[in-house]
Amino acid sequence: AQTVTQSQPEMSVQEAETVTLSCTYDTSESDYYLFWYKQPPSRQMILVIRQEAYKQQNATENRFSVNFQKAAKSFSLKISDSQLGDAAMYFCAYRRGEIYGGSQGNLIFGKGTKLSVKP
Amino acid sequence: DADVTQTPRNRITKTGKRIMLECSQTKGHDRMYWYRQDPGLGLRLIYYSFDVKDINKGEISDGYSVSRQAQAKFSLSLESAIPNQTALYFCATSEFGTSGTQETQYFGPGTRLLVL
Repeated sequence: AQTVTQSQPEMSVQEAETVTLSCTYDTSESDYYLFWYKQPPSRQMILVIRQEAYKQQNATENRFSVNFQKAAKSFSLKISDSQLGDAAMYFCAYRRGEIYGGSQGNLIFGKGTKLSVKP
Repeated sequence: DADVTQTPRNRITKTGKRIMLECSQTKGHDRMYWYRQDPGLGLRLIYYSFDVKDINKGEISDGYSVSRQAQAKFSLSLESAIPNQTALYFCATSEFGTSGTQETQYFGPGTRLLVL
């Protein structure tokens, strides 16, 4: 079974600085997708960034970028120029590809990393 | 208007009561999901549905049931609520397909449930 591990329960960053959140996953599948979701105090789950496993290029979305290391099964999130509004829980998630049938489409989540941003 | 809505947003109930949480979406997606979030455990899948006639159990389905009344509506029921079902419940939707955007799940605002 696939698992997702976020080894940092809490992280802190100074406003305007850069922070990296770690995520590792375990799978024997070659076709899958990885996601980072943000959950602010409002509790809404907001998609931050998405990565297709077959793409070698790391995904970027404005100040957010990932370091996808497929062989190492690592998927870290880098937040540049941190802002107060970035303070939230961040969840890493895995989804198997369609070719596997069965439970494809279901997300497997890590336990989350709570990010604090200091002014 | 929000694409994925959940009602109620907050609910307090007593042990043994039957309650229903409702989810509606205007995204036109085929697939819908119910997740549960507990502190320190992330989100775990309860049930999922790939279309109106296709409903499947997730990781933690015991004590729950679902109904897919229409493509846009997916309800979660607790037949006899117990205190350890106190949690934050999320509905999510996604579109069938193989492109990255089609694989993304979009979440509702969540329902906070307290079982006394």
